[in-house]
This record gives sequence, C-alpha cells and structure tokens, in this order.
Amino acid sequence: EVRLVESGGGLVQPGESLRLSCAASGFSFGSYGMTWVRQAPGKGLEWVAFTSGSGGAKFYADSVRGRFTVSRDNAKNTLYVQMSSLTVEDTAVYYCAKLPREYQLRGWFDPWGQGTLVIVSS
Amino acid sequence: QSVLTQPASVSGSLGQSITVSCTGTSSDVGAYNSVSWYQQHSGKAPRLIIYDVSNRPSGVPYRFSGSKSGNTASLTIAGLQTDDEADYYCGSYGSGSTYVFGSGTKVTVL
Repeated sequence: EVRLVESGGGLVQPGESLRLSCAASGFSFGSYGMTWVRQAPGKGLEWVAFTSGSGGAKFYADSVRGRFTVSRDNAKNTLYVQMSSLTVEDTAVYYCAKLPREYQLRGWFDPWGQGTLVIVSS
Repeated sequence: QSVLTQPASVSGSLGQSITVSCTGTSSDVGAYNSVSWYQQHSGKAPRLIIYDVSNRPSGVPYRFSGSKSGNTASLTIAGLQTDDEADYYCGSYGSGSTYVFGSGTKVTVL
C-alpha cells in the first residue's frame, strides 16, 4: 500500500522558518515526482512545489518561490520542504502527494498524505 | 498563476445527476489533456477521482465521469448518493511548469 505521512507542522512566528517532512512507503520513492500542496483554513487547494524523482528538477508557485525549498532524500524515502520568512498567509494544512511519473509535474496527485498544520502567528 | 473557475456550490437530489464545471485558459485546461478532479470530505485529505480528463482510478465508482471542451472541463456525478456530499476541486497542469487548482465546488445532496 502506498502511504504518505507528513510531519513537522506547528506554531511559528512571522519571519521564522520551519521544515516539513513527508515519509513515503509502499513504492519505489526515487522513481516518482513528488509535490506539496497547501490549504489555508476554510480555503481551497494551492499547489506549492514539485521535485522530480532524482531531485534535479524543482518548480515552485510564485507565492513561495525564493522562500521555500523542496528537497528529497531517496535513501530515506522522505520528501521535505524548508520554509523560511514565513508570513501569516502561509498558515495552512500542508499535504504531500505522489505523481505518476519521475520527471513531470504534468500528471495527477495520488495518493495524498493526511496533512500537517502550520500556523504562523505572533 | 490564476485559479481555475468553478461554481461555489452545486446541489442535487438523491439519485439525480449533477455537473461541475471548471474553466481555465488556453495555457492550462485548454492546452493539455491533464485535468484531474479531487474529492475532499470535511476534515479529510483530497482523493483523486478523475485523471487525464476522463480516466477513473481503480476503486472510483462508474458514477463519476469527466470531460473537456476547449478551456472548460466538467465532472459529472450520476445517481447522487449521500456520500458524494463533499468539496470537489479540479486541477490542471499549466504552461511554465506550474499546476493550478480550481476554486472548489461544494456539492450538496438534497
């Protein structure tokens, strides 16, 4: 069974940094692109970032480019997102999801993890 | 990176069919056959129900179907059931290596 489990969320102050993790199991992790999606409280889904299977290709939403860095450790089957200069607008549940191909963001997100909540507040 | 346009809410009676639209542009929905639909029950993670415009993943009922015409994609739910009451989001790959979601539609079963 393919499974994704996010962790690392919590309460941080504006301007601070936080790293989220997504532990994967049940598939050949390094052979698939992975993505982060977030959902602010009561709002819709927002795509955040993508990394290819090797980690060589990375794409970001305009809203996080320059502040967030996506990475992966294929030996540990874990996806990360390092978030810096956080603002209240970054408050959201952050989900990781698997893509169907190694190199392309062009695809679908399946499955999704259960999400981890990040609250940015003073 | 704009949001795809969906109706805020759609409702239907038990057993009825409903359609949710998703309107994008010639840079996303209209450019690629890479539209997906996700179902999200309250407090839960999203679940893929349609990929590549009209394909159903294993385990998704035949009642769910997808289509696309020009810059607009559509999700049809036939024979509405109480468990179909949820939020539905479309998503599309977009030019410039981006991904964009729809604004979301709340489906209510009357």
